Amino acid sequence: AQKITQTQPGMFVQEKEAVTLDCTYDTSDQSYGLFWYKQPSSGEMIFLIYQGSYDEQNATEGRYSLNFQKARKSANLVISASQLGDSAMYFCASRSGGSNYKLTFGKGTLLTVNP
Amino acid sequence: DSGVTQTPKHLITATGQRVTLRCSPRSGDLSVYWYQQSLDQGLQFLIQYYNGEERAKGNILERFSAQQFPDLHSELNLSSLELGDSALYFCASSVGPGQGAVYGYTFGSGTRLTVV
Repeated sequence: AQKITQTQPGMFVQEKEAVTLDCTYDTSDQSYGLFWYKQPSSGEMIFLIYQGSYDEQNATEGRYSLNFQKARKSANLVISASQLGDSAMYFCASRSGGSNYKLTFGKGTLLTVNP
Repeated sequence: DSGVTQTPKHLITATGQRVTLRCSPRSGDLSVYWYQQSLDQGLQFLIQYYNGEERAKGNILERFSAQQFPDLHSELNLSSLELGDSALYFCASSVGPGQGAVYGYTFGSGTRLTVV
């Protein structure tokens, strides 16, 4: 079974600063995937970034990067140059490499960007 | 617009009733996943279909059932509703059961169910 832990229920950051959202995972699978999703107050789930367990490079997508430390089982999301529109819930999720490809989500971190 | 369409967006119903939530996956996606998001349980996987067949089951109650039709749209049926079933129900889709891992599973905007 997979487990995702997000230890920060809420985070605050000043506009234009960088912020790191923590995520640790627990899995016995050799092959797995890690995701970050953003959920604004409107409710939709927006895919941000993906990291495969065999990817040697950290994933980056625009202002988002994933700090993947396999030995520590951590997959922290780094948002650079925060914008007011980044205020939202952020969920870390994992996918098993087995036949069941469901996502397991953490409880989320509520990010508030202050002007 | 993510390409995954969920209807209705909002639903208010009474305890004991039955409702059907509908999901049309993104064009070309064969796999559909249902998730429930509630304040106390967070995001929970319910069930997955791939090309019409059930592939995986999660924490889905016996009062709940789902199916995927030949045109690939899916329906989630919730019966004998209880107050605790109030939640946001998401549908997500991916090309295949594993290919979504690279491109990210695409979520619909959800159906907010309120049971009164």
